[in-house]
Amino acid sequence: NAGVTQTPKFQVLKTGQSMTLQCAQDMNHEYMSWYRQDPGMGLRLIHYSVGAGITDQGEVPNGYNVSRSTTEDFPLRLLSAAPSQTSVYFCASRPFSGYSYEQYFGPGTRLTVT
Amino acid sequence: GESVGLHLPTLSVQEGDNSIINCAYSNSASDYFIWYKQESGKGPQFIIDIRSNMDKRQGQRVTVLLNKTVKHLSLQIAATQPGDSAVYFCAENFWMDSSYKLIFGSGTRLLVRP
Repeated sequence: NAGVTQTPKFQVLKTGQSMTLQCAQDMNHEYMSWYRQDPGMGLRLIHYSVGAGITDQGEVPNGYNVSRSTTEDFPLRLLSAAPSQTSVYFCASRPFSGYSYEQYFGPGTRLTVT
Repeated sequence: GESVGLHLPTLSVQEGDNSIINCAYSNSASDYFIWYKQESGKGPQFIIDIRSNMDKRQGQRVTVLLNKTVKHLSLQIAATQPGDSAVYFCAENFWMDSSYKLIFGSGTRLLVRP
């Protein structure tokens, strides 16, 4: 299986534009999440979902929307891009239960807002 | 708010030596911890995890130590190799707002000298 896939790999937006970052996983994981990573920093949780139809906010949710209509897909929408949203975005998934909370990460989307 | 942090931003070691990467966490309710490795341009990759009811866990060439008394986590890499050069993140998992959240620290860069 492909694991966690993200598209696009790179994106440049102008301030005020909107766009959707795509994330899909084929491991039938209930839990999916979005993180952003700024230069020299760790990952900060934006939004997460524990299953289809259920989403919730993480540490830095402002300026982003998510939806979870299927188990496989978890898109992240930027409503009105701002330079402060320039970052690398990672999508991750894991099973909701079990011993391990290991998350499987996608390759990332590098977003620049000018 | 609660946070996970690292003591050393950069660690340089000689190939063949052992490496120790440290992490301090502040959420006493965290029940699970993970170490991730991130190579340049890639998403984080799981290394090893440990539950809060353990104080040591070993993997292949890696050992994680957990000291709950001082809220300290460490990752030991034996016989460090050039391929170990990467940024290492610790992450803590805790229950909040009806779900588990995985929060990352800011990372330590490990440089392996040949």
